[in-house]
Amino acid sequence: QQPVQSPQAVILREGEDAVINCSSSKALYSVHWYRQKHGEAPVFLMILLKGGEQKGHEKISASFNEKKQQSSLYLTASQLSYSGTYFCGTEGHSSASKIIFGSGTRLSIRP
Amino acid sequence: DAGVIQSPRHEVTEMGQEVTLRCKPISGHNSLFWYRQTMMRGLELLIYFNNNVPIDDSGMPEDRFSAKMPNASFSTLKIQPSEPRDSAVYFCASSLMQGIHEQYFGPGTRLTVT
Repeated sequence: QQPVQSPQAVILREGEDAVINCSSSKALYSVHWYRQKHGEAPVFLMILLKGGEQKGHEKISASFNEKKQQSSLYLTASQLSYSGTYFCGTEGHSSASKIIFGSGTRLSIRP
Repeated sequence: DAGVIQSPRHEVTEMGQEVTLRCKPISGHNSLFWYRQTMMRGLELLIYFNNNVPIDDSGMPEDRFSAKMPNASFSTLKIQPSEPRDSAVYFCASSLMQGIHEQYFGPGTRLTVT
């Protein structure tokens, strides 16, 4: 089952914050976040494993609530370079399970 | 490292023709994935391999699609015969292991079937 992302699109001014949510209907082992710029391939941002961990890289961080089967991506003080489509990918508990990507959240940053 | 290499980058073909997409994963990576991306369906996993062995091909849409990985450095995705609805961007990605490691995506092949 494909994870559900929200919102589908968001427009920000440079310097504003954003939160992108990802939820699944099944138990999760890990959540993956990728960013894709227009006309390019998706690029890895971070992986979160079960245990409710949080990760961050510069001003982009994420959390994973295993019990709620949800993950959120936080973009702080957004920069023009953050524009793109953000995908979450979820993996179930089977050792041979695959990553299923959500439909994406399109983020546009205006100067 | 050169990253994941895909060829061709663009392919335009007529309905009914055979199409072969090629992928060279990053050296040392044990898992390889084929994805299809369209506006309507998003990023779909078609098939993935671990150590050259197909693990899950449940995403392959029809028997017209087939994928092979004859060795650790090469994989193909073949569509025969092609149809206009196959038009999409096809990505190949590789990772050290399936699941817990980041996937590195190739630049993609934009396929147009007329």
